[in-house]
Amino acid sequence: SQQGEEDPQALSIQEGENATMNCSYKTSINNLQWYRQNSGRGLVHLILIRSNEREKHSGRLRVTLDTSKKSSSLLITASRAADTASYFCATDFQGAQKLVFGQGTRLTINP
Amino acid sequence: DAGITQSPRYKITETGRQVTLMCHQTWSHSYMFWYRQDLGHGLRLIYYSAAADITDKGEVPDGYVVSRSKTENFPLTLESATRSQTSVYFCASSTNAREQFFGPGTRLTVL
Repeated sequence: SQQGEEDPQALSIQEGENATMNCSYKTSINNLQWYRQNSGRGLVHLILIRSNEREKHSGRLRVTLDTSKKSSSLLITASRAADTASYFCATDFQGAQKLVFGQGTRLTINP
Repeated sequence: DAGITQSPRYKITETGRQVTLMCHQTWSHSYMFWYRQDLGHGLRLIYYSAAADITDKGEVPDGYVVSRSKTENFPLTLESATRSQTSVYFCASSTNAREQFFGPGTRLTVL
């Protein structure tokens, strides 16, 4: 069964607005990652947050992690048309040397 | 070119035929992975390998065989293709099973 579940499944916003996506997981993790997938392409790693971290920034990306709630959020600020893609969270849970991906959030940025 | 490549990019086959999907990476990453991506299921791990000659099952291994005689190659074989194996297949590699680098994918159709 899936370890990570993203919410919402789809999100459509205007260019320049902020986009927030959420991920929930079930078991204790070592770290949580976010990936982007453009249509018809492979996944691209965006950011990794460790279980002992609460917030991390990378450019226009901000990721938070709440291990007590087993949830994470990805915020993309000042969205651009090029941010249109699917976004996946992936968990690396304790004792495992593999990632488990959620089903993704499909983000559409309207010009 | 350096990176991770998959071949073929598109494949149509018939039920019962054997099909091999190729994956090649030039980074000498120790870890390699095979995923399938289907609507409604996200990415699901088929098999992974921690090093040459070391492979292990993922979430959905039935009907698939892998081998890893060389660090840079990780072929995936469908021994007797079924319609349910119609999917997009992604190969990925990693130095530590955390941040993964994905290939462009192979779209497989089984008629």
